[in-house]
Amino acid sequence: AQSVTQPDIHITVSEGASLELRCNYSYGATPYLFWYVQSPGQGLQLLLKYFSGDTLVQGIKGFEAEFKRSQSSFNLRKPSVHWSDAAEYFCAVGARGSTLGRLYFGRGTQLTVWP
Amino acid sequence: EPEVTQTPSHQVTQMGQEVILRCVPISNHLYFYWYRQILGQKVEFLVSFYNNEISEKSEIFDDQFSVERPDGSNFTLKIRSTKLEDSAMYFCASSLLAGGETQYFGPGTRLLVL
Repeated sequence: AQSVTQPDIHITVSEGASLELRCNYSYGATPYLFWYVQSPGQGLQLLLKYFSGDTLVQGIKGFEAEFKRSQSSFNLRKPSVHWSDAAEYFCAVGARGSTLGRLYFGRGTQLTVWP
Repeated sequence: EPEVTQTPSHQVTQMGQEVILRCVPISNHLYFYWYRQILGQKVEFLVSFYNNEISEKSEIFDDQFSVERPDGSNFTLKIRSTKLEDSAMYFCASSLLAGGETQYFGPGTRLLVL
């Protein structure tokens, strides 16, 4: 069965520090992978996605993620965190080749940024 | 930039009452979705809708739930007889295509069933 695990429920970093949010997935084939961010009162905003090709994906707001097939991981990184990055981050997986579009989400990681 | 909108932002209802959650997807999108997130839990898929019919539904989406696109712009989720466990944040999403196409999410409706 498809599943997504985000092992860190809450992460706290200082502004300017580097960030890595972990995501592991379980899927029968190579999936589509997404990272979404949710700020308070806002919807889920797409940060980046992996479909195929280069396993290092660049997204908005200076985020990047690396797909590692051998580890079934799609970790999100940012070299220098800004206070405005404080939000909840969701990893999601979708079915390659599916016409249905269903996404499976992780539980989310809440990021707190200290000034 | 076009966005998905949802109304109301918050709704409080009594157990057993019917609620209708409304969504306006992005205008040229063809696929529509409802997800929900119970507090502290994962975002869960409920249903997808294409060409005026349900294309997929999860085990959560039982006979108490229904979806409709009544007028070509709105997309609604109806819960016929709400239960306490229906309390959650409900997200609407839309995409131009399926199969990995980006889904654009609305801000959600917080439903509280008392």
